[in-house]
Amino acid sequence: ETGVTQTPRHLVMGMTNKKSLKCEQHLGHNAMYWYKQSAKKPLELMFVYNFKEQTENNSVPSRFSPECPNSSHLFLHLHTLQPEDSALYLCASSQDHGQGSEQYFGPGTRLTVT
Amino acid sequence: EDQVTQSPEALRLQEGESSSLNCSYTVSGLRGLFWYRQDPGKGPEFLFTLYSAGEEKEKERLKATLTKKESFLHITAPKPEDSATYLCAVQARGSQGNLIFGKGTKLSVKP
Repeated sequence: ETGVTQTPRHLVMGMTNKKSLKCEQHLGHNAMYWYKQSAKKPLELMFVYNFKEQTENNSVPSRFSPECPNSSHLFLHLHTLQPEDSALYLCASSQDHGQGSEQYFGPGTRLTVT
Repeated sequence: EDQVTQSPEALRLQEGESSSLNCSYTVSGLRGLFWYRQDPGKGPEFLFTLYSAGEEKEKERLKATLTKKESFLHITAPKPEDSATYLCAVQARGSQGNLIFGKGTKLSVKP
């Protein structure tokens, strides 16, 4: 595997379900990110982890819970989601955070909440 | 407030018809400006980073330029495979270092 991988690629869940999104980066980076991408909107930053420490929680509802067990893996735990949470969820990584280094994105998880 | 505006929202070109995409930004000190390409249903693919006004970078048919207020992505003699949404993002100095993205320009190149 190379770059940034995400699983699953597609997920359909009911509003009462609990599911998790997984991201893994094979680039040796120290920072990882979760973004939400909805139609007609810019990418919205959700969470930032730098050296496994969460440095940003961009006013994200508590029904989204991130976890970063090490600098290569990032999870997004989902529970009691709303239909408006349906979107493409993107994971990214960069060498460091805030120092001008580019972010590399995974393919995303297309989430549909029914 | 830091802001990024991309124009046009959508652009249709004939194969071989050169054009430019615009990214205007307002930030309190620019640390870096980033261009990405995104194909439908996929994650953004990194293209270029520009750090200072006057800087230019090229890759195949793409050339990115930067001034103190905007960046252009010039596409020379585009091909249908250049069709995608092009995203611009900026990182401001003194902020948490988060990227601020524009809404993107959807480019369609017809044969």
